[in-house]
Amino acid sequence: KAGVTQTPRYLIKTRGQQVTLSCSPISGHRSVSWYQQTPGQGLQFLFEYFSETQRNKGNFPGRFSGRQFSNSRSEMNVSTLELGDSALYLCASSFDGQAFFGQGTRLTVV
Amino acid sequence: AQTVTQSQPEMSVQEAETVTLSCTYDTSENNYYLFWYKQPPSRQMILVIRQEAYKQQNATENRFSVNFQKAAKSFSLKISDSQLGDTAMYFCAFTRFGGSQGNLIFGKGTKLSVKP
Repeated sequence: KAGVTQTPRYLIKTRGQQVTLSCSPISGHRSVSWYQQTPGQGLQFLFEYFSETQRNKGNFPGRFSGRQFSNSRSEMNVSTLELGDSALYLCASSFDGQAFFGQGTRLTVV
Repeated sequence: AQTVTQSQPEMSVQEAETVTLSCTYDTSENNYYLFWYKQPPSRQMILVIRQEAYKQQNATENRFSVNFQKAAKSFSLKISDSQLGDTAMYFCAFTRFGGSQGNLIFGKGTKLSVKP
């Protein structure tokens, strides 16, 4: 089975722009979660989608949004980028209480 | 709210020796999962071991084992016969049983260096 695939792997954006990251879960997994990883804050939960519905949301501003498609692929969007949004964004697909992670997207905001 | 605490920011161990990483957590839930994840420099988060809270037996996976003390809310990871490839950040994580299992709560991590 293919693992969790995140695209792109690296991204450089300018303050004020918006960005969309993509995540393809493991086949058959309906739960997709997103995390932000920074040196200062560590790993923080952004949101989880299950069968196209947002099931849970972390403590992030409304500039962070996501969606899930009928094939379970998920996208997250960050609007009006700030320097502090520079981070590694990890996606995970879950099944039976176990999360499998992608390799992440490294976002740099300049 | 659930919290996960890893009190050792960095640790080192000689190759072939044994090392124990500590983790404590706080929750009012009775059923939950606990995990140890490894993140090498490649950034890929890899599941090392999983423990279901309702199981009294400690989980083991080859050289990796846990000491799960539910009453003390403690979940330590023991790595035996350490190998150079074990060098990585190790994260302890918690999630509720049932419902939103995709919401993992992580500790700050322990950076483990295995020295030759």
